[in-house]
Amino acid sequence: DAGVTQSPTHLIKTRGQQVTLRCSPKSGHDTVSWYQQALGQGPQFIFQYYEEEERQRGNFPDRFSGHQFPNYSSELNVNALLLGDSALYLCASRGRGQKGSYNSPLHFGNGTRLTVT
Amino acid sequence: AQKITQTQPGMFVQEKEAVTLDCTYDTSDPSYGLFWYKQPSSGEMIFLIYQGSYDQQNATEGRYSLNFQKARKSANLVISASQLGDSAMYFCAMRELFTGTASKLTFGTGTRLQVTL
Repeated sequence: DAGVTQSPTHLIKTRGQQVTLRCSPKSGHDTVSWYQQALGQGPQFIFQYYEEEERQRGNFPDRFSGHQFPNYSSELNVNALLLGDSALYLCASRGRGQKGSYNSPLHFGNGTRLTVT
Repeated sequence: AQKITQTQPGMFVQEKEAVTLDCTYDTSDPSYGLFWYKQPSSGEMIFLIYQGSYDQQNATEGRYSLNFQKARKSANLVISASQLGDSAMYFCAMRELFTGTASKLTFGTGTRLQVTL
C-alpha cells in the first residue's frame, strides 16, 4: 500500500523563478493539502484540495497556487520565488466519507526540500 | 496569539526511561482534536496519537499516551520505555472542527528528543 509520494525530493531554484512540486496521495485518499515547513519551525498550512477545487487556504500569497487532477494527485506551484520560500514542502492526504473521519490523521509524504538562491 | 505552544526546544532521556513532552493549546472552537506527530531526519511526519476534545479517557497507542487536561488546555505526550529510534522532532498539532477543515492542522514549533544510552 503506497503512502504519500512527493517529487522531486530536492530542488534548487533562483530568485524570481517558478517551481512546481508534485504529490500523489495515499491509496484510497481523495483530499490533498500542502504545508510549508521553514527550518526550525512547525509546518504551516498552505491550502487544501478536494474534488479538484481549492477548499481552504492558509495565510499565503497568491504566488502559491495549486491544482488537483482527476486521479487525486496534486501540484503546488510557486511563482516569483523569494529567498524566504526556501523550506520543506510537505504534502498530506486523507480520505473523506469515513465514519468518524474528523479523528482521522493526515498522512504525510517525505517532502520536497526547496532551496532558493 | 500562538495556538499551539511547545516550550521545550530540546529534551534528553535515557534509553528505557519515560519522557513527557509538553503541549499547550488555545482555541475558542468548542470541538477540536489534538495530534502528535514524529518527524525523523528523513522529513516525513509520522502520526503517533490523537485526542478528541470530547473524549473522556486519555488516548493511548502502544508506548505513547496523551495526558489530556482540558481545563488547563494541555495535551502532553508521554513516551514510555524510550528507545534509540525515538530520537526525532515531535510536533503537537490541533484541528479545529467548526472554524477549520479536517485537513488544516496548526502545529507547534516542536521538541527535539534525543535518547541516550
